[in-house]
Amino acid sequence: DTAVSQTPKYLVTQMGNDKSIKCEQNLGHDTMYWYKQDSKKFLKIMFSYNNKELIINETVPNRFSPKSPDKAHLNLHINSLELGDSAVYFCASSDSRTGFGEQYFGPGTRLTVT
Amino acid sequence: QQQVKQSPQSLIVQKGGISIINCAYENTAFDYFPWYQQFPGKGPALLIAIRPDVSEKKEGRFTISFNKSAKQFSLHIMDSQPGDSATYFCAASKGGGSTLGRLYFGRGTQLTVWP
Repeated sequence: DTAVSQTPKYLVTQMGNDKSIKCEQNLGHDTMYWYKQDSKKFLKIMFSYNNKELIINETVPNRFSPKSPDKAHLNLHINSLELGDSAVYFCASSDSRTGFGEQYFGPGTRLTVT
Repeated sequence: QQQVKQSPQSLIVQKGGISIINCAYENTAFDYFPWYQQFPGKGPALLIAIRPDVSEKKEGRFTISFNKSAKQFSLHIMDSQPGDSATYFCAASKGGGSTLGRLYFGRGTQLTVWP
């Protein structure tokens, strides 16, 4: 039983294409996140949703658009992909009732833009 | 601006030795300090965490030492094992407001434990 799952695990695409990454959590959490991890392993938060409401929107290009159809799902759509978008993208979730610092991460999606 | 500063960037320790990773923060509003462990090809996983009302927390071979006045905290891994080889991230968070659920991560420490 995977707590936080992401699809696909690997994504190879060309510059200019549009792609989506899907995330689902079965922990009953009310908060979900997207992180970007670069080649130096730095974890940068991109977005956060609490009960389907956008809470955190870091300085991310507007080519990135998150969508939360319900509390258990948070998808990330990326338009006009660029070489610099190549990274590992992690979805995470937490329960606001027990603390936001305890986050559960998915296995990641390695995006390679050629 | 890096809210949480972590050192060293990489650490090599002999099996059975003690691994020590240090972190420092500036924002006194932080009230939760977790450490995450990440193995290659996996997502980060919560390892151990501490709140500022205690100075130390121990779970098995892992201990967090917290110095509120110095705004520093550190992770100690006793009897380090090759299976501990991973990237370790310290982090800090504060509850409520527009930063709801926000974790500020350090840049990570790559730990290698030689057998």
